[in-house]
Amino acid sequence: DAGVTQSPTHLIKTRGQQVTLRCSPKSGHDTVSWYQQALGQGPQFIFQYYEEEERQRGNFPDRFSGHQFPNYSSELNVNALLLGDSALYLCASSPGLAGSSYEQYFGPGTRLTVT
Amino acid sequence: AQSVTQLDSQVPVFEEAPVELRCNYSSSVSVYLFWYVQYPNQGLQLLLKYLSGSTLVKGINGFEAEFNKSQTSFHLRKPSVHISDTAEYFCAVTGSGNTGKLIFGQGTTLQVKP
Repeated sequence: DAGVTQSPTHLIKTRGQQVTLRCSPKSGHDTVSWYQQALGQGPQFIFQYYEEEERQRGNFPDRFSGHQFPNYSSELNVNALLLGDSALYLCASSPGLAGSSYEQYFGPGTRLTVT
Repeated sequence: AQSVTQLDSQVPVFEEAPVELRCNYSSSVSVYLFWYVQYPNQGLQLLLKYLSGSTLVKGINGFEAEFNKSQTSFHLRKPSVHISDTAEYFCAVTGSGNTGKLIFGQGTTLQVKP
């Protein structure tokens, strides 16, 4: 049973560019959440997708956008990259918005470096 | 709104010694609490969770945590640590009705020395 997978593993971009990160949820999961983890910090919630719609959003600017596909996989897009966007981006999946376990399974992350 | 404070940024301990990683939270609603572990260059792995019921929660790898509502704490403990427990540990909270939005603490680095 494959867990949460993310691609690419590492990415280097230049300020002002745009980037797309990808996530495939754990088998049987239909909800995907994205988190940003800056170096030495705890993860911060970006947004959550369920039924191809953004359901919750954290305190991130509109430069951060996402999408969920019919197969439940998801993309995170960041426009006009800033140096401060350098971080580990984590994807987490769960079985439904109100699953009784409230447990989220995390992928290994994508390390984004903005130069 | 919820928030989480992990009281120690680093905890050095010798192998086979007991350890406690401290976590305090604040919330105006009922909460669900979690401890995650992150090994170098990896994602997060769930150690244990408190949703309801018994305030003493047992998790994987011999870890346990106790939910204390009056002190708004959820401290993580292990009676005897191993070198392999060296990692970053995160306490997280979500409120009822706010599923999927985990609020994390800053993390505690557990350094197990031989």
